[in-house]
Amino acid sequence: EVQLVESGGDLVQPGGSLRLSCAASGFPFGSYAMNWVRQAPGKGLEWISFINYNGGAILYADSVKGRFVITRDNAKESLFLQMNSLRAEDTAVYYCARQYCISESCSFDGWGQGTLVTVSS
Amino acid sequence: DMQMTQSPSFVSASVGDRVTITCRASQAISSWLAWYQQKPGKAPKLLIYSASNLQSGVPSRFSGSGSGTEFSLTISGLQPEDFAIYYCQHPNKFPYTFGQGTKLEIK
Repeated sequence: EVQLVESGGDLVQPGGSLRLSCAASGFPFGSYAMNWVRQAPGKGLEWISFINYNGGAILYADSVKGRFVITRDNAKESLFLQMNSLRAEDTAVYYCARQYCISESCSFDGWGQGTLVTVSS
Repeated sequence: DMQMTQSPSFVSASVGDRVTITCRASQAISSWLAWYQQKPGKAPKLLIYSASNLQSGVPSRFSGSGSGTEFSLTISGLQPEDFAIYYCQHPNKFPYTFGQGTKLEIK
C-alpha cells in the first residue's frame, strides 16, 4: 500500500523559509516520479513541482519558480520541498503525490495527508 | 498554458440520482485526463485515469468518458459518501493543471 507522510508545515513570517518532507513507504520510491501539490484555504488544487525518479528532471509552476526547490533522497525514500522567500499567498496545505504512468497516460495515484504552511506576520 | 474548465462548479443532487460533471480542456489532450475526489479535510483520491479507466478499488458507479477537449465524469446511483468535490486534471503535460473543482452537495 502506498503511504506518503508529509511533515514540516508551520507558521512562518513573510520572507522566511521552510523545508517540507514527505516520507514514502509501501512501494519502490526510487522508481516513481513525485510531485508537490498545494491547496490554499477554501480553494482548489494547484500543482507546484515535479521531480522524476532519479532527480534528473525537475519542473516548477511559475508561481514558485526561483523560490522553491524540490529534491529527493531515494536511499531514505524521502521527498523534500525547500521553500524560500515565502509570501502570504503561499499559505496552503501542501501534499506530496506519487505519479504513475502507463504508457503515455499518467495520474497521481497516491497522496499524503498534507501539511499546513501558514505565512503570516 | 493548458486551461481545464469544469462545469458546473456546484451541483445539488439526491441519493440515488445520476450526476454528470464536465471538464473541458483548452487544447486537445487525447485521453490524458484524470478525475479525483476530495472530501473535507482529506487528500484527493484518484478515481479515473486515462479519461475512462477506473482506478482499482473505486466503485463501478463511477465512470469517465471523452477525448480531445471534452470529458465527463458520471456517478450513477449517488451514495451518501459521494458528496464531495471533484477535480479533473491533465497530468501529462506541464503544468499539470487541475480544473477549478465541482462541489457535489446533497439536495
